[in-house]
Parts: sequence; C-alpha cells; structure tokens
Amino acid sequence: SQQGEEDPQALSIQEGENATMNCSYKTSINNLQWYRQNSGRGLVHLILIRSNEREKHSGRLRVTLDTSKKSSSLLITASRAADTASYFCATDSNSGNTPLVFGKGTRLSVIA
Amino acid sequence: EPEVTQTPSHQVTQMGQEVILRCVPISNHLYFYWYRQILGQKVEFLVSFYNNEISEKSEIFDDQFSVERPDGSNFTLKIRSTKLEDSAMYFCASNLGGGDYEQYFGPGTRLTVT
Repeated sequence: SQQGEEDPQALSIQEGENATMNCSYKTSINNLQWYRQNSGRGLVHLILIRSNEREKHSGRLRVTLDTSKKSSSLLITASRAADTASYFCATDSNSGNTPLVFGKGTRLSVIA
Repeated sequence: EPEVTQTPSHQVTQMGQEVILRCVPISNHLYFYWYRQILGQKVEFLVSFYNNEISEKSEIFDDQFSVERPDGSNFTLKIRSTKLEDSAMYFCASNLGGGDYEQYFGPGTRLTVT
C-alpha cells in the first residue's frame, strides 16, 4: 500500500534557519498534502500539491514534488519558535477524495 | 473561516461501554472521514462516507464501529463496546470534492478507555 514516510524523524534548528523535511511514498498518487500537528492537538492543513505540479508556495512554506522519485519536500524558511510541531505528509490514491495515508511525521523543534 | 468541529474534546469511558463521537463537518463539504491516532503513532484511516453511505473502510473499522449522518450537519462515530486498545485521538475530516481534495480536520476527541 502507498505510504508517506518522512525524514528526518526529528529536526532541531535555531530560530531564523530554514527547515527541510522530506517525504517518500510508494505508489501513484493524485495529491500530496502536508499537515502540522502541535503536541496533542489537531491536524492543521498546510498545503496540497497535485501530481502534475512540481512546486508550490504558501507564505514561508515551499513544497516540491518529484513523482519520478515518489518524493516531496517541505521547506519552512526563516523558522520561528511557533513553528515547533510535528509535520506529516499524507497521500491519496489516483482518484482523489479518498482516504489519506499518513507518514510517521517529522518532529521539528525551533529553538529561540 | 469555516472549520470542522468535534465534541467532546475528551471522553473517558469504561471498557465495554458504548461511546458516540460527534463531528460537524464544514457545511458545504460532501466527503467525510474518521481517522484515529494512537499516542505516539501514525494517523490511521478508519472510514469514509459519501452520499449517505460508507465509501471505504479500513481493517480497523470492524463490527464494533459504525457511522451515521443523522441530519444535515452531524457526522457521528459509534463504538459499541469499547476496548482498552480503542484509546486514541479520533479525528473527523471533510473535503468538498469535485476536484477540491484538501481534507480539513477537526481538533479531535481524545478517547480514554479504562
């Protein structure tokens, strides 16, 4: 089954630095979505990138998608302490409107 | 901005009891989902619902689970006889459909089975 797997599992950086998190998956997808989760809280939707897109921006977020390598990356520029959270990628199947398959997430700590 | 809401935020129940978790999806959304996250683990899909019926379900979603959309706004998940291993965070999500695939999640219900 398809599966989003993020790396690294944990990342610790200083405020102001950029954070890059990677995600790999196994089968064909329609879309890939990134979510943030603060400890013990809900999932906040960050960005969706479609399979025919290669890059997408939203504020300080930049997402890339390489379908030939079945991988995506999430870049957070100029990180802030408030960016401290777990970040998950989630993939759907070829048809969309289908269940998301989540990876284990990357735990990002931004130190002020 | 419209958002998915869930109640209660925390439910404590004894093993063997029935629980109903409630969700109000975003009002114009057509696809509804339940996911769960056991502490420290991945978010896992349970069931999806469209056009007043289950469209997909996972192996986790066995006969102890059921979903319902009793009216135009609520979407519920019932666990008939809870087990210790049902303790988890349960998330409801919805998306609009029609090419709009972003799934928006509620804040979750933390279920603790004792």
